[in-house]
Amino acid sequence: GQNIDQPTEMTATEGAIVQINCTYQTSGFNGLFWYQQHAGEAPTFLSYNVLDGLEEKGRFSSFLSRSKGYSYLLLKELQMKDSASYLCAVVDSNYQLIWGAGTKLIIKP
Amino acid sequence: SQTIHQWPATLVQPVGSPLSLECTVEGTSNPNLYWYRQAAGRGLQLLFYSVGIGQISSEVPQNLSASRPQDRQFILSSKKLLLSDSGFYLCAWSSKADRVNTEAFFGQGTRLTVV
Repeated sequence: GQNIDQPTEMTATEGAIVQINCTYQTSGFNGLFWYQQHAGEAPTFLSYNVLDGLEEKGRFSSFLSRSKGYSYLLLKELQMKDSASYLCAVVDSNYQLIWGAGTKLIIKP
Repeated sequence: SQTIHQWPATLVQPVGSPLSLECTVEGTSNPNLYWYRQAAGRGLQLLFYSVGIGQISSEVPQNLSASRPQDRQFILSSKKLLLSDSGFYLCAWSSKADRVNTEAFFGQGTRLTVV
């Protein structure tokens, strides 16, 4: 079967750095997405990785290791508005998105 | 630019009543269309996807059905709602132009409460 694992919830302090991990076992791999979802809203795109390595975009970075079936999302200089759920999704061999359950990130002042 | 519209934003329906949620996409043609459900504190569950008019694939057996009467219109329906149908429903589209990048663009979502 196909499986995406993320921690259910994480807590971090405003101004700090947090790393959200995602491990996956899927039938094939054609890329990995990270989405941000604020409570009661639709998910919005953050990043896309298809090759190994780190992709940096402002305060957010995403890392991928295909051999390990592993990715992380790194958030720096945390702000209160970063409190949200972060969803990891993998594109499988049929080009379908397989979604993780999401990680709820709580930012404390 | 492409936009996706989904309505209504919130809905409260009694058990046994019918359901119709509508989703339309603008600014693109021949999109892949998706209906997802998200239960509280859980990930996105793919309910249906469509690669073209009249072509519907169902991912899980359930009390719901979907139809695609037009290229950019996707409808989620039920004849009789169950309490377990409550949740956050999201419509999404993706482009066929680039098979590798299947980034999904989401509508605003519909919060359905069955009472």
